[in-house]
Amino acid sequence: TQLLEQSPQFLSIQEGENLTVYCNSSSVFSSLQWYRQEPGEGPVLLVTVVTGGEVKKLKRLTFQFGDARKDSSLHITAAQPGDTGLYLCAGAPASGSRLTFGEGTQLTVNP
Amino acid sequence: NAGVTQTPKFQVLKTGQSMTLQCAQDMNHEYMSWYRQDPGMGLRLIHYSVGAGITDQGEVPNGYNVSRSTTEDFPLRLLSAAPSQTSVYFCASSFRGRNGYTFGSGTRLTVV
Repeated sequence: TQLLEQSPQFLSIQEGENLTVYCNSSSVFSSLQWYRQEPGEGPVLLVTVVTGGEVKKLKRLTFQFGDARKDSSLHITAAQPGDTGLYLCAGAPASGSRLTFGEGTQLTVNP
Repeated sequence: NAGVTQTPKFQVLKTGQSMTLQCAQDMNHEYMSWYRQDPGMGLRLIHYSVGAGITDQGEVPNGYNVSRSTTEDFPLRLLSAAPSQTSVYFCASSFRGRNGYTFGSGTRLTVV
């Protein structure tokens, strides 16, 4: 069974601060997907990284896939209250048919 | 609106009752999956399908059945509900899987 460990589990910061969320595994994934979930809703895809060492930017969010495709990070610059939510990483095998999710990071950005 | 539609949004069952959670997508996605989300445990895969007529078990399949007779629909059946099945259930679909999934808004199920 492939496992994904996500850290930290909880993060409470002030508006304007920077933060990094980590997603680590001992297994190699074909792609690593990041989702954001708000209360009462399903997860929404933010980005997919597929190449070892790949870096993708989405406004103030920077996603990186490790060279060995076993880990990933999400960095948020100058966090805003609207960034509050549950951030989930998910690893996909080559077939893409079975996602393995991390436990999630609950981010709270205080104004 | 294009997307994944789940019904019902809320359901309360008595122990031993059966029910079907409905999931439909209109994006012509081949891949569909069912997850349950419990506090502190992330999302766990129950069953998945890579096309009509093809289903397979995920991480926590016991107590659940699925079928995929059409590309659009992927219902999840609870055979005999137990309190341990109290959870939030999400259906998701994808074109190629490794490029990301679209999730429904969930069904909150309580078994008493």
